[in-house]
Amino acid sequence: EPEVTQTPSHQVTQMGQEVILRCVPISNHLYFYWYRQILGQKVEFLVSFYNNEISEKSEIFDDQFSVERPDGSNFTLKIRSTKLEDSAMYFCASRFAPGFTGELFFGEGSRLTVL
Amino acid sequence: AQSVTQLDSHVSVSEGTPVLLRCNYSSSYSPSLFWYVQHPNKGLQLLLKYTSAATLVKGINGFEAEFKKSETSFHLTKPSAHMSDAAEYFCVVSGSSNTGKLIFGQGTTLQVKP
Repeated sequence: EPEVTQTPSHQVTQMGQEVILRCVPISNHLYFYWYRQILGQKVEFLVSFYNNEISEKSEIFDDQFSVERPDGSNFTLKIRSTKLEDSAMYFCASRFAPGFTGELFFGEGSRLTVL
Repeated sequence: AQSVTQLDSHVSVSEGTPVLLRCNYSSSYSPSLFWYVQHPNKGLQLLLKYTSAATLVKGINGFEAEFKKSETSFHLTKPSAHMSDAAEYFCVVSGSSNTGKLIFGQGTTLQVKP
């Protein structure tokens, strides 16, 4: 069964360092997303990406964050200068079709710990 | 704005007894609603979804949910809990934009006792 894969599964970094979280969406999917879940809190939308550009972003997704699809398979989330409050589980997701008729598939998450 | 409230942060049932996880939603338009499950150290898996078709939705692993517009509810049920059902469950509503954004509830931890 096709799946969304994320690397690394866990990353520990120092405050102020740059972090790149990587995702390989399902191969024929066109719409890509990042969500995050701070420990003990709800899953929050960060950004959606379609046709090589951001289609929507939340207020969390400030200038420290960026996304990129550098080739035909990877979808990355970069945090330029990490803060303690960026510690969270980050989920990548993808879907084939727009709207909500098609299923959104999530990866297993990348846990980021900022010290 | 769209939002969901999961009324219980933690539910504990005995194996073989019914499961009820409660969810209320708020939406300014007719929403799509979902239940996702997250097992420990796993990703989020879709259990079922409502997208304005039948109000009683059947999902995987024997779960079902009923969309009740008058009560703005979308409770998740299962007639008989299994040990493998122990997980975190999220009620989710579609965002107002056409980007496919989802808005999650706070989650309910389901504990199943032998």
